[in-house]
Amino acid sequence: QQQVKQSPQSLIVQKGGISIINCAYENTAFDYFPWYQQFPGKGPALLIAIRPDVSEKKEGRFTISFNKSAKQFSLHIMDSQPGDSATYFCAASGSYRTSYGKLTFGQGTILTVHP
Amino acid sequence: EPEVTQTPSHQVTQMGQEVILRCVPISNHLYFYWYRQILGQKVEFLVSFYNNEISEKSEIFDDQFSVERPDGSNFTLKIRSTKLEDSAMYFCASSLRQGARNEQFFGPGTRLTVL
Repeated sequence: QQQVKQSPQSLIVQKGGISIINCAYENTAFDYFPWYQQFPGKGPALLIAIRPDVSEKKEGRFTISFNKSAKQFSLHIMDSQPGDSATYFCAASGSYRTSYGKLTFGQGTILTVHP
Repeated sequence: EPEVTQTPSHQVTQMGQEVILRCVPISNHLYFYWYRQILGQKVEFLVSFYNNEISEKSEIFDDQFSVERPDGSNFTLKIRSTKLEDSAMYFCASSLRQGARNEQFFGPGTRLTVL
């Protein structure tokens, strides 16, 4: 019940295309859903995050869509660029009442954007 | 820009040996975490730490593991008797506040190889 399932494992997109990565969770106590971006040799870096009281959050070319009833959320990267090529992780965490910040990660998606 | 640093970047050890992985969190952060990532698998939570105490730990974090903040800047993870299955990338993270919605900043990781 603590799992976060992420798909696809890898994704190849042409420059200018839309990249979509999906995640699903089971634990209804999760109330914070961040996406992390990781480049080779670096640690994960927070990209964008959403709370379940909104259905969408947009920051520049990055958008999270959240479907609370389906317990799914997704990352959309518009106008994908070669510099976006990285590994993307979705994650989830519980409220401050139930969690000290423990993040539960998905399996990761390796995104490759061809020029 | 402040960042989390980790040393060493790569540690090779023999099975049964003790290793200490070191982290310097961001200076004004109060909450500290260790995660690990076995090659090809997802990032997994190990432990969270606040006010010189463990706040939460996973089932992975057994008696072979310990954490310490020996001074005002370092945060260490000790593995007493390493096993082959401890081979992984270990990430340290820190955050300013407690709870699920506060951004965790990750270090670049230490790759531990147990032979």
